[in-house]
Amino acid sequence: RKEVEQDPGPFNVPEGATVAFNCTYSNSASQSFFWYRQDCRKEPKLLMSVYSSGNEDGRFTAQLNRASQYISLLIRDSKLSDSATYLCVVSGKDTGRRALTFGSGTRLQVQP
Amino acid sequence: DAGVIQSPRHEVTEMGQEVTLRCKPISGHDYLFWYRQTMMRGLELLIYFNNNVPIDDSGMPEDRFSAKMPNASFSTLKIQPSEPRDSAVYFCASRTDSPNRYNEQFFGPGTRLTVL
Repeated sequence: RKEVEQDPGPFNVPEGATVAFNCTYSNSASQSFFWYRQDCRKEPKLLMSVYSSGNEDGRFTAQLNRASQYISLLIRDSKLSDSATYLCVVSGKDTGRRALTFGSGTRLQVQP
Repeated sequence: DAGVIQSPRHEVTEMGQEVTLRCKPISGHDYLFWYRQTMMRGLELLIYFNNNVPIDDSGMPEDRFSAKMPNASFSTLKIQPSEPRDSAVYFCASRTDSPNRYNEQFFGPGTRLTVL
């Protein structure tokens, strides 16, 4: 079983739609959670960190459920420029590990 | 700041040849990471350094892969001999250990390696 699991998609949605991505992680010791965005043939870039209480950044809302080991990302009012792959990412401090563990990504295509 | 710099951006080589990938992290960052991305396996950590010291190399596939960080501003990932299954995009990333930052890693543009 992969440490971080995501639905690969693709999610094809019209402009203006609301879309939600989910992710589960297997390591209960994970302490930090993120969503990264990766455009085609580009490097991953941090979209937002995910806090225990949930957090919002403009049209983006992230939620964390530690009991279920589940992370979500909600995108409201989708724009064409939101088309990308969204990577669910976790990291832990056990044994001092500072590296990130990436999900395989969920591809979003926003259509006009 | 120029961000994380990687070279070359593209590399095409033949099986059996030695390949060296280079990375310059963001100045002042304490951690440097090497990742590999393929369609089949996604983005995987190969090795990371803290203050130029290798901390976790459990992701290095086999002895053909080696990484060094001789100083705070330079790291190499070497594959010798290369094989077609090594074809992938190799990313270098760096981050600071400042308590005010929430573990954000900054990625370089990647090196696209093709082994024929």
